[in-house]
Amino acid sequence: SQTIHQWPATLVQPVGSPLSLECTVEGTSNPNLYWYRQAAGRGLQLLFYSVGIGQISSEVPQNLSASRPQDRQFILSSKKLLLSDSGFYLCAWRTGVNEKLFFGSGTQLSVL
Amino acid sequence: DAKTTQPPSMDCAEGRAANLPCNHSTISGNEYVYWYRQIHSQGPQYIIHGLKNNETNEMASLIITEDRKSSTLILPHATLRDTAVYYCIVRVAGAGNMLTFGGGTRLMVKP
Repeated sequence: SQTIHQWPATLVQPVGSPLSLECTVEGTSNPNLYWYRQAAGRGLQLLFYSVGIGQISSEVPQNLSASRPQDRQFILSSKKLLLSDSGFYLCAWRTGVNEKLFFGSGTQLSVL
Repeated sequence: DAKTTQPPSMDCAEGRAANLPCNHSTISGNEYVYWYRQIHSQGPQYIIHGLKNNETNEMASLIITEDRKSSTLILPHATLRDTAVYYCIVRVAGAGNMLTFGGGTRLMVKP
């Protein structure tokens, strides 16, 4: 069966520090991968999606970047975090034409 | 993608049916209706989807009006664990690679 792993669960970082969040998927191949962010009490905002290795599309201009070095690995990064980068970050995947998205457990990032 | 409109919040008594409405008056013929829910501090969870026929699974039922301009998600016997934000999404299956979540409906199941 397919599983998605996302870590860490919580993270507290100072302003200006770097960030690296990792997401891996098991049990499937060539998935579409997504990074979403959810600010406190708000809806989900799509940040990046990827249809294959090295292929990244960005939805909004921001302080973050994403990379997909392997088929089932998706990484969210920042060189210098801002206070506004705080939020709940979710990784998700899907395959084929089915729009059923499977989400990871999320990372709660607090930038202080 | 067609825009959806949902009430921001609803209450339901435990054990009763929860009926969550969604308006999608600009839906096109090849767009599906999807429902997800998000329990606090967790990732969203897929519930059900449909095109024009009513659908039922182990979690819920989806009723789509004949003109497809609105739908209702029904949780037949709501429990406290069904307290969550419920998202209605309309999308052409396989079109593009993005799934956008709006504000959703915050369902509070009360004892």
